[in-house]
Amino acid sequence: DVKVTQSSRYLVKRTGEKVFLECVQDMDHENMFWYRQDPGLGLRLIYFSYDVKMKEKGDIPEGYSVSREKKERFSLILESASTNQTSMYLCASSFVLRGNEQYFGPGTRLTVT
Amino acid sequence: AQSVAQPEDQVNVAEGNPLTVKCTYSVSGNPYLFWYVQYPNRGLQFLLKYITGDNLVKGSYGFEAEFNKSQTSFHLKKPSALVSDSALYFCAVRDMPAGGFKTIFGAGTRLFVKA
Repeated sequence: DVKVTQSSRYLVKRTGEKVFLECVQDMDHENMFWYRQDPGLGLRLIYFSYDVKMKEKGDIPEGYSVSREKKERFSLILESASTNQTSMYLCASSFVLRGNEQYFGPGTRLTVT
Repeated sequence: AQSVAQPEDQVNVAEGNPLTVKCTYSVSGNPYLFWYVQYPNRGLQFLLKYITGDNLVKGSYGFEAEFNKSQTSFHLKKPSALVSDSALYFCAVRDMPAGGFKTIFGAGTRLFVKA
């Protein structure tokens, strides 16, 4: 079974802190994604990566950055956390063929106070 | 631009009855269509997808979906609902080739199955 793990299930941070969310997948997938999930808005893409050191902005990249130094690991960084970044963050991975479904991690619920 | 709509925030159905969760989409090219399910406090799980071929696709847990090109719909169905089907369901679309790697998700439909 494909396994996508995320570093934390719950996280509470203060405004202005730098926050790191880490995602690891074990299926040798080329593509990795970071989404945020908010009620009534579904999933919105923050960033994705199709290869090591490669990244593309999604729909809502402002206030976020990413890092992919190894194929299996994709990190999301909140440079200076703000209260409007309180959300559920989901990591996903997939093979590069475009028909392939995404596999999701359990999510990190981040609260910024 | 690609988009996907799930017109119902919530669907209620009695156990044993058939269920339908609706999804419509808009793309400029050919759609790749997906359904995912999210159980409480868990990430999304893939249910089924339509890429090409037979318009009726079957997936996990007895679910199926029908691709209707003329109505631009991809409704999720199950002949007999179970209480354990209660969850949040997301429809998603990838616009081929215009959309690239990007997948657009609907807002989600919460399914309640009553015993």
